[in-house]
Amino acid sequence: SQKIEQNSEALNIQEGKTATLTCNYTNYSPAYLQWYRQDPGRGPVFLLLIRENEKEKRKERLKVTFDTTLKQSLFHITASQPADSATYLCALYSSASKIIFGSGTRLSIRP
Amino acid sequence: DAGITQSPRHKVTETGTPVTLRCHQTENHRYMYWYRQDPGHGLRLIHYSYGVKDTDKGEVSDGYSVSRSKTEDFLLTLESATSSQTSVYFCAISDNSQGGSTDTQYFGPGTRLTVL
Repeated sequence: SQKIEQNSEALNIQEGKTATLTCNYTNYSPAYLQWYRQDPGRGPVFLLLIRENEKEKRKERLKVTFDTTLKQSLFHITASQPADSATYLCALYSSASKIIFGSGTRLSIRP
Repeated sequence: DAGITQSPRHKVTETGTPVTLRCHQTENHRYMYWYRQDPGHGLRLIHYSYGVKDTDKGEVSDGYSVSRSKTEDFLLTLESATSSQTSVYFCAISDNSQGGSTDTQYFGPGTRLTVL
């Protein structure tokens, strides 16, 4: 069956460093992959989408890569700030307009 | 929250009672979804709708039913609540317009349901 894994439940890094989050998937060849941010007590918010024919996508301090050979996406936040602390979810298109979400990585940026 | 409201925001109920959660959107999006979120499991799809009166099951649909009589409203019903249905429930909408659809989900604020 299709499976998505976000390797780290939690990641703690120093302010100013680059945070790198990993999303791996199996038994699947998605046309695109999405990343969402979720703050405590709130619903997820869409951040970025990358398609299978795109190697890299950037938005301000965010960068996403998509390696269909490794079946992996990396999500980078450069020059991280305490305000970037949140849970980040990756998501893949499954079928018939359904999305499968990973369980998320809780990112903490310490000053 | 992209014109999506959920009601109630919090509810405590007892095992065996029926519970209905409501999702209301003002975006006129065709697709609506109900997810539950539990520690260690992430977001799991319960049911979704692709139009008025058109619904389908997700991966964790047992014990839940849905209805969509209007474009803007999607109801989730727990016919007889159980403690295993204690969770945070999120509604989401998606445009999925023709050509290059990306199924980007826009989420509501969530409903925290506790079944005692």
